[in-house]
Amino acid sequence: GAGVSQSPSNKVTEKGKDVELRCDPISGHTALYWYRQSLGQGLEFLIYFQGNSAPDKSGLPSDRFSAERTGGSVSTLTIQRTQQEDSAVYLCASSPPGQSTDTQYFGPGTRLTVL
Amino acid sequence: AQSVAQPEDQVNVAEGNPLTVKCTYSVSGNPYLFWYVQYPNRGLQFLLKYITGDNLVKGSYGFEAEFNKSQTSFHLKKPSALVSDSALYFCAVSLLGGGYQKVTFGTGTKLQVIP
Repeated sequence: GAGVSQSPSNKVTEKGKDVELRCDPISGHTALYWYRQSLGQGLEFLIYFQGNSAPDKSGLPSDRFSAERTGGSVSTLTIQRTQQEDSAVYLCASSPPGQSTDTQYFGPGTRLTVL
Repeated sequence: AQSVAQPEDQVNVAEGNPLTVKCTYSVSGNPYLFWYVQYPNRGLQFLLKYITGDNLVKGSYGFEAEFNKSQTSFHLKKPSALVSDSALYFCAVSLLGGGYQKVTFGTGTKLQVIP
């Protein structure tokens, strides 16, 4: 079946612009995660959605970052007034229903470059 | 707070030799442990996980990992390395229990298998 998809695959933007990154999780997966992977760094947790529960936003680095998940499926990560330090690969993952901490299925990522 | 340490940024091993990628963790309770692999220009893929039971867990591509509670370690191993195993490996930990539990990833270890 189809895996997690993310778009765009690459995004180049100018400092100060807003960007939107999209994630389509695997159909039926109730949990959705966003991570950031910077060069030489591990995966930095950003935000977690689980069904209709309130999201865990504890990893968002600043109020310029926000995310939504509409209808329990597609998610959009928005970065406002981008800065050069926001340049990274943004990864989305989803997990099936059941145990809330389970195997995560990752998308290919969106490489964001802020000039 | 939970954490994961991957003490080696890079591990080099000759093809055909056994390989070990180290991981230690810290969590306030029983751990839920994972290994993921990221091949060049590809997304992260699940390799294996430990929940409870047998300390030796077998996963994809001939990899296995041994849970050692006293040493709080979960090292990844393979008896005979292949050049195609060259990739970035991430260890991750969560807290085993009911409800949502955040997954924390290590910084990754680059495995280079030399022909």
